[in-house]
Amino acid sequence: GQQLNQSPQSMFIQEGEDVSMNCTSSSIFNTWLWYKQDPGEGPVLLIALYKAGELTSNGRLTAQFGITRKDSFLNISASIPSDVGIYFCAGHLGNFGNEKLTFGTGTRLTIIP
Amino acid sequence: SAVISQKPSRDICQRGTSLTIQCQVDSQVTMMFWYRQQPGQSLTLIATANQGSEATYESGFVIDKFPISRPNLTFSTLTVSNMSPEDSSIYLCSVHVLANTEAFFGQGTRLTVV
Repeated sequence: GQQLNQSPQSMFIQEGEDVSMNCTSSSIFNTWLWYKQDPGEGPVLLIALYKAGELTSNGRLTAQFGITRKDSFLNISASIPSDVGIYFCAGHLGNFGNEKLTFGTGTRLTIIP
Repeated sequence: SAVISQKPSRDICQRGTSLTIQCQVDSQVTMMFWYRQQPGQSLTLIATANQGSEATYESGFVIDKFPISRPNLTFSTLTVSNMSPEDSSIYLCSVHVLANTEAFFGQGTRLTVV
């Protein structure tokens, strides 16, 4: 089946640093979603991308939908302690009858005091 | 968006028993999805729950092990049957809003089988 590879697998940064992570696919998606999961919680939607080449921001977060439709990246600027968690990308074909999401392997973000 | 409530939030169960997880949504949705998240892993789709028809299961998941009910457009249950320690995971309910696009999740049910 389809697989989404996220990199890096984990990141250790200092507060205030910028963060960049990406997600690549072996096949095309029509929608890319980025989620954050805190311990003991379900994933929370951060950003949704619907068009190839689209660049979307949500506060300190910026995400882009790759031109090839096989990749996406997420940037976090000026990281703060509450950014700690696991970030997942997810791809969606967006076709009726095929509504399911494929999730990436996740990037664990840790902020070093 | 959608507000999704899952119950129980966590449980510790004896092997060989079954646990039913409930998922309640604050609005009517056509499709509901059940995921499993094993410790330290990503989310894996178990099945899609359609109102008025049988659930559609993904490869590696079967109805006898994970029976699903979908009695109306705001509610679904997932049962984990004849549990073993390998079933220890977080189970998550999800719905799509705006047809085929954004997916929202419940807080999950953390299951430990001893």
